[in-house]
Amino acid sequence: GQQVMQIPQYQHVQEGEDFTTYCNSSTTLSNIQWYKQRPGGHPVFLIQLVKSGEVKKQKRLTFQFGEAKKNSSLHITATQTTDVGTYFCAGSIMIYNQGGKLIFGQGTELSVKP
Amino acid sequence: GAVVSQHPSWVICKSGTSVKIECRSLDFQATTMFWYRQFPKQSLMLMATSNEGSKATYEQGVEKDKFLINHASLTLSTLTVTSAHPEDSSFYICSARVGMRTVLSHGYTFGSGTRLTVV
Repeated sequence: GQQVMQIPQYQHVQEGEDFTTYCNSSTTLSNIQWYKQRPGGHPVFLIQLVKSGEVKKQKRLTFQFGEAKKNSSLHITATQTTDVGTYFCAGSIMIYNQGGKLIFGQGTELSVKP
Repeated sequence: GAVVSQHPSWVICKSGTSVKIECRSLDFQATTMFWYRQFPKQSLMLMATSNEGSKATYEQGVEKDKFLINHASLTLSTLTVTSAHPEDSSFYICSARVGMRTVLSHGYTFGSGTRLTVV
């Protein structure tokens, strides 16, 4: 079946250091979305990338979508303690006559040491 | 923005009983609802996709007779865990999509989740 692999599983950084998480899909995606989940909470939508090679920025966060629309990355510059949480990528796969469904990566748990 | 209300937020039930979880779209019509299950420290696993007025489509390995999904209206979808057992204890989350396309500025809207504990 369709799979979205995400690495690393955990990342511990010192406040101020950069952080990157990577996703790779076994199939071409119609789009990829990124979510952040705080402990005990539900996923909160961050961004969606649709176009091949697309790059989007949200303040210190930079999101990229690969040329083949099979991989993506999220990079955080100069992490802060408020960045703590688990970041999930979710690939949208189009199913004939059903629209798209999201397949989540395993998530990367980010911890930031002050 | 689009809001999905999910309840209960947590429930403890005895083994062998059934539990119903509701998800309501508050300010939009959700033609499609997705149900996920998440075990601690793990990812969200898609269980099923429900479309209003039709039968749900279950992912491989998910028992449709155990996890009953009903999407009777454009604003309400329910998941019933029948004859629950301790191994069904998990975090269940619904998400909704508006129409057949993703709401580009909002992605998929998630409910707040239901933590089920079966004792």
